[in-house]
Amino acid sequence: SQKIEQNSEALNIQEGKTATLTCNYTNYSPAYLQWYRQDPGRGPVFLLLIRENEKEKRKERLKVTFDTTLKQSLFHITASQPADSATYLCALDRGGYNKLIFGAGTRLAVHP
Amino acid sequence: DVKVTQSSRYLVKRTGEKVFLECVQDMDHENMFWYRQDPGLGLRLIYFSYDVKMKEKGDIPEGYSVSREKKERFSLILESASTNQTSMYLCATQVPETQYFGPGTRLLVL
Repeated sequence: SQKIEQNSEALNIQEGKTATLTCNYTNYSPAYLQWYRQDPGRGPVFLLLIRENEKEKRKERLKVTFDTTLKQSLFHITASQPADSATYLCALDRGGYNKLIFGAGTRLAVHP
Repeated sequence: DVKVTQSSRYLVKRTGEKVFLECVQDMDHENMFWYRQDPGLGLRLIYFSYDVKMKEKGDIPEGYSVSREKKERFSLILESASTNQTSMYLCATQVPETQYFGPGTRLLVL
């Protein structure tokens, strides 16, 4: 069955450092992958989409890579700030009406 | 900006009650989704709809039904609420590949 995994442990980093979050998947060949941010008690908010033929995508301090051979995506936040503290979810397209399958998310805490 | 609203932020119901969760979007999107989110399990798809009166089961439809009589409104119905349906419920709309979520309804079934 399709499986998508994110680090279940929280990631704690110092302000100004680069945060790197991992998303791995199995039994799957998605056409695209997305990253969302979720704050406590709120719905997820879309951040970035990367397609299977793209290796890397950037948006301001965010960078996403997509390695379809390794079946892995890395999500980087450079010059991290306490305001970046949140849970980050990766999501894969599973075809058919653009349905998505979501990972459980990784909680990021950026300390001053 | 896409706006997705959900009828309640918090809801407390008794076991066996019929529960209605409503979701409204203001962007004329065709695809709408209902998820539940539980710690460690992530978002799991309950039902989705790709047009008015059209619906398909997601990964965990048991104990739920949906209704979409108008394009902007997608309702999730718990026919007879049970304690294992205590969860955070999230509605989303989608176009073209990006999903836009409502604020969520935290449901507690006693």
